[in-house]
Amino acid sequence: DAGVIQSPRHEVTEMGQEVTLRCKPISGHNSLFWYRQTMMRGLELLIYFNNNVPIDDSGMPEDRFSAKMPNASFSTLKIQPSEPRDSAVYFCASRGLDNTGELFFGEGSRLTVL
Amino acid sequence: KQEVTQIPAALSVPEGENLVLNCSFTDSAIYNLQWFRQDPGKGLTSLLLIQSSQREQTSGRLNASLDKSSGRSTLYIAASQPGDSATYLCAPRAGYSSASKIIFGSGTRLSIRP
Repeated sequence: DAGVIQSPRHEVTEMGQEVTLRCKPISGHNSLFWYRQTMMRGLELLIYFNNNVPIDDSGMPEDRFSAKMPNASFSTLKIQPSEPRDSAVYFCASRGLDNTGELFFGEGSRLTVL
Repeated sequence: KQEVTQIPAALSVPEGENLVLNCSFTDSAIYNLQWFRQDPGKGLTSLLLIQSSQREQTSGRLNASLDKSSGRSTLYIAASQPGDSATYLCAPRAGYSSASKIIFGSGTRLSIRP
């Protein structure tokens, strides 16, 4: 398996622009997580899905952030409009139904908002 | 609300030493706990996963222990090498539901001096 795939790996945009980050979880995994990592706040859970349904979005910073999972093999995290304080590395992770419940991460999308 | 603390925040030791990284969590009703490694600019790589029914788990020079009742886990690294230099994060998984969330500690930044 190719693992969790995220795109783009790097994005530089200007304040006010819309940003869409994409994630393809490992095939067969039924839980998907979006995290944000910054030097100041570490790794924060933004939202997670189970069987394509959002379970907890309490970590989403504000209404400018939205996430969708239209099917089991694809999820997006959208920021509109983007602000400089959104600059961070955004990670997607997925987890399967097996007994271990091990979490696997993508390589991340590094976002810079100017 | 689960809170995860990792001590120390940073550690620098000479090559060859054995060392222990600590992780504590406030909610002991966990399903499992996972230790990750993160190299600079990279995603998180799973090292070890301990189920709530286990006391320890070993992989090569790494040994992770879990004391669920006291809310603690340790990662023991034997005979440290410069290649072990990275940030190590622990992540307890809340509850037993297949939809349960995973919260991360802030990590221990480890540097092994040749």
